[in-house]
Amino acid sequence: DAKTTQPPSMDCAEGRAANLPCNHSTISGNEYVYWYRQIHSQGPQYIIHGLKNNETNEMASLIITEDRKSSTLILPHATLRDTAVYYCIVRSPMTTDSWGKLQFGAGTQVVVTP
Amino acid sequence: EADIYQTPRYLVIGTGKKITLECSQTMGHDKMYWYQQDPGMELHLIHYSYGVNSTEKGDLSSESTVSRIRTEHFPLTLESARPSHTSQYLCASSDPGGTNTEAFFGQGTRLTVV
Repeated sequence: DAKTTQPPSMDCAEGRAANLPCNHSTISGNEYVYWYRQIHSQGPQYIIHGLKNNETNEMASLIITEDRKSSTLILPHATLRDTAVYYCIVRSPMTTDSWGKLQFGAGTQVVVTP
Repeated sequence: EADIYQTPRYLVIGTGKKITLECSQTMGHDKMYWYQQDPGMELHLIHYSYGVNSTEKGDLSSESTVSRIRTEHFPLTLESARPSHTSQYLCASSDPGGTNTEAFFGQGTRLTVV
């Protein structure tokens, strides 16, 4: 699976949008971009994933560049409860030849301040 | 809502004791995983399973062992606990295939060996 690069930390004001960047320049054609977050002392929580189109759900939006070498997770209205480590993961589909394991990097520590 | 459970949530145990960390999921997922995470550090995959009677070592070497006798159950065992085993252990599961698959994590077991 391709490697990802994220900034180690970022701050965001409550109520403002948080834009979390991720670089994945070696991503291959069938690899998806997944985002998870881990609130302190809890298990990681799935947020969103996409292949090449932008995606939106109730938690966040995912913007993937046309060349797919980078992406941005957008939390539209950050709350204090969004303080967590956010992981960007590139992952191939689980097929009979690939079990699609998740490999977590260091992630981005996001702190939402009042 | 994720239906994957880990017990105990916290465990303090003496050196040399045998321990089993429990992980159960009610989603019928074939694939299950164990990750190890030290405080403030990355998650590392230590074991995974494709299904019943299938177990494999992950990327990080671990003295623990796992078994998969039933689909819903994936326990992790340490035959003789040592202080170096002190860590958080996270269990996860996911659907067997397809592209729209996410992994669900339990709340973790925080193990302290004294």
